[in-house]
Amino acid sequence: QKEVEQNSGPLSVPEGAIASLNCTYSDRGSQSFFWYRQYSGKSPELIMFIYSNGDKEDGRFTAQLNKASQYVSLLIRDSQPSDSATYLCAVNRNFNKFYFGSGTKLNVKP
Amino acid sequence: SAVISQKPSRDICQRGTSLTIQCQVDSQVTMMFWYRQQPGQSLTLIATANQGSEATYESGFVIDKFPISRPNLTFSTLTVSNMSPEDSSIYLCSVDATGYSNTGELFFGEGSRLTVL
Repeated sequence: QKEVEQNSGPLSVPEGAIASLNCTYSDRGSQSFFWYRQYSGKSPELIMFIYSNGDKEDGRFTAQLNKASQYVSLLIRDSQPSDSATYLCAVNRNFNKFYFGSGTKLNVKP
Repeated sequence: SAVISQKPSRDICQRGTSLTIQCQVDSQVTMMFWYRQQPGQSLTLIATANQGSEATYESGFVIDKFPISRPNLTFSTLTVSNMSPEDSSIYLCSVDATGYSNTGELFFGEGSRLTVL
């Protein structure tokens, strides 16, 4: 079983719609959770981080964490073509040991 | 955020040769991390580079293949030795947010894209 699982996609949504990206993780001891965006040929950049159960909102982005279900999600409201990228879910288990999912490719169609 | 510079940004290498990637950070950091991202794949941690001690390698990665140096708190190198086409990948240097922010995130360099013929 992989440490972090994501649907590889591609996930296609029309411009202005909500994009929903999902991630599950295997280790209940995981403490912090991150969503990175990676444009083709570029390095990953942080979009959101979340530590506690529930929702965390930042602009058009909402991260959701459910530790009981070992589930993390990222919602992107009012999706824009510039949001088209691969989104990586990352889990920090302990002492900066990060595990990354394989990424979900998002296509936002104008 | 951290400013991380990697060199080279890309290179084309011949089978059997070795290449050293350099990583420079704009501030002193305790740990530096080297990741590999193979085509279409996610990031896999190769090793953690600690200043003043040997690097800690992850399962599947060995020092003979990926020797790492960490001469000071702002600099590290990763060498990919005796390269084969399977080593064609993007190699990323990263540091954690300690000293920069309280997010706990990793910051990444721009990456070094290696193609082995």
